[in-house]
Amino acid sequence: EAGVAQSPRYKIIEKRQSVAFWCNPISGHATLYWYQQILGQGPKLLIQFQNNGVVDDSQLPKDRFSAERLKGVDSTLKIQPAKLEDSAVYLCASSLGSGASSYEQYFGPGTRLTVT
Amino acid sequence: GENVEQHPSTLSVQEGDSAVIKCTYSDSASNYFPWYKQELGKRPQLIIDIRSNVGEKKDQRIAVTLNKTAKHFSLHITETQPEDSAVYFCAARPSGGYNKLIFGAGTRLAVHP
Repeated sequence: EAGVAQSPRYKIIEKRQSVAFWCNPISGHATLYWYQQILGQGPKLLIQFQNNGVVDDSQLPKDRFSAERLKGVDSTLKIQPAKLEDSAVYLCASSLGSGASSYEQYFGPGTRLTVT
Repeated sequence: GENVEQHPSTLSVQEGDSAVIKCTYSDSASNYFPWYKQELGKRPQLIIDIRSNVGEKKDQRIAVTLNKTAKHFSLHITETQPEDSAVYFCAARPSGGYNKLIFGAGTRLAVHP
């Protein structure tokens, strides 16, 4: 089966600019996650969708980050305005659901963001 | 809040030796513990996982053990090969929530021929 798709793979912007990332999960996966991975650290969950509803956005900096999954399939993550500390790899992941039979999360290749 | 600590941060072994990476978690009700391998510039790949009702799981050269009392779990790689060189992340699924994973900081494993 096709994996999680993300675009773009790389993005360089200046601080205070805006940027958007796109993710298409594995077909049939109801749950979609956005993670931020700063160099040398493990992924940190930013937001989690169950179908088209947000179920966890406790670590999303809502003053500058937003995300949507309008039709319950693909998703976009936006940063506006970007700060230097937003430089990271943004990983999208998906899982079948959140029940006991579907804990496994599968990751996309990520978008490497550099803010100058 | 929930926390996962991972040790060591770097590990260097000779080809053929074993490698062990250890993680501890804070939420005693965590019930799922995956391990991911991330090669440079690539996506994290799930290599093995274990649930809280199991103490050990093996898949060829890799195994994971879980000690719920001590709240720690470990990844064991035997007969290491140069292609095992990567960063390995442990994670824990805390109770409640919706399948959230808390990741460790990662271990950079280098296997020298």
